[in-house]
Amino acid sequence: KNEVEQSPQNLTAQEGEFITINCSYSVGISALHWLQQHPGGGIVSLFMLSSGKKKHGRLIATINIQEKHSSLHITASHPRDSAVYICAVRRDSNYQLIWGAGTKLIIKP
Amino acid sequence: KAGVTQTPRYLIKTRGQQVTLSCSPISGHRSVSWYQQTPGQGLQFLFEYFSETQRNKGNFPGRFSGRQFSNSRSEMNVSTLELGDSALYLCASSLGDQRTDTQYFGPGTRLTVL
Repeated sequence: KNEVEQSPQNLTAQEGEFITINCSYSVGISALHWLQQHPGGGIVSLFMLSSGKKKHGRLIATINIQEKHSSLHITASHPRDSAVYICAVRRDSNYQLIWGAGTKLIIKP
Repeated sequence: KAGVTQTPRYLIKTRGQQVTLSCSPISGHRSVSWYQQTPGQGLQFLFEYFSETQRNKGNFPGRFSGRQFSNSRSEMNVSTLELGDSALYLCASSLGDQRTDTQYFGPGTRLTVL
């Protein structure tokens, strides 16, 4: 079983919909990251979380340390949000980053 | 501040050859990590360098090696290329605090092995 699991693998939605992407992990962590990768390869860091909730524009990220689960929400989704969203956790034993497989999001106009 | 730069951006090699990729981190960043990304595999961690020392290593064969220079620039070398080495190679730089660092990614080098 992978140490970091993301769901869903693929998500297609209509513009304006509320989007939720989930990340579950099985190791002790010091931090969890959400990143975005657009077609063409560029990866951008969206959030780093160690507890609670963070908000940036239409993006919200939450983490529940006890349940080892994080969610990334996108409100009022837009076609420019179409990208692969990746969850990564930093293992607290050796600080290595462990990457989820990514969620491919397509927002249709 | 200039972002992370990687050279070359595209590379075509044949089986058996070797290749060297370069990564220049953001000024002031002392950590450089390398990743391999292939379709369906996601990001696979290769290694991390901090202050010219390899601090972490992923599960790749010894054909994959790297180094970091005193100015924090890093190179990655792959010897005896195989078809399966075709991938996007990404480097990421950070300040170096392993607990809380945010990584900043370069645009990647797309390697094709024929």
